[in-house]
Amino acid sequence: SQELEQSPQSLIVQEGKNLTINCTSSKTLYGLYWYKQKYGEGLIFLMMLQKGGEEKSHEKITAKLDEKKQQSSLHITASQPSHAGIYLCGADIRRKAGANNLFFGTGTRLTVIP
Amino acid sequence: DVKVTQSSRYLVKRTGEKVFLECVQDMDHENMFWYRQDPGLGLRLIYFSYDVKMKEKGDIPEGYSVSREKKERFSLILESASTNQTSMYLCASKASPLHFGNGTRLTVT
Repeated sequence: SQELEQSPQSLIVQEGKNLTINCTSSKTLYGLYWYKQKYGEGLIFLMMLQKGGEEKSHEKITAKLDEKKQQSSLHITASQPSHAGIYLCGADIRRKAGANNLFFGTGTRLTVIP
Repeated sequence: DVKVTQSSRYLVKRTGEKVFLECVQDMDHENMFWYRQDPGLGLRLIYFSYDVKMKEKGDIPEGYSVSREKKERFSLILESASTNQTSMYLCASKASPLHFGNGTRLTVT
């Protein structure tokens, strides 16, 4: 989606390394969602952020929403092969009243080399 | 846990065929969505529904229609399948957060 820019498009890391994925919008993000997708499968919900400056963690994954609510980052510490997959950010940007306002980035394909 | 079930994981259809993709959710959610996912384009919204018999067009409704006769079931219909509709189709329910099915990979030959 042009509404959300996600970077990088792909990432290859050695097991044990840290990594960061970014999601940026020119509009205010009213809700920011991170999902993970195994190849050929559906999206698994990871975390939701709503307040500026909010940070959430689950196991080795931390997601943050900046104070201006226009950028989010997903950080994985000590990556493992089980972290491999496609990470997508989705956001509510309130494009117009009455319509669905949830947009998605194009995803980041993460490969973790054992 | 919310369960969103898509009836087929893989489908192969011929150009011109009428195709039905079925989605069922078990949590009494009012909102249901159909997306397609293509490399480099991400998820794009086709249609969504916020109640039985109610539907709204998403960003790419052309060539598709939907049906919501019961709250738990939301069907996507390709009236006359074309090769450019070869894609991964994802159904979702609720809105915050969305809960997705496992997807249907449709190939139109």
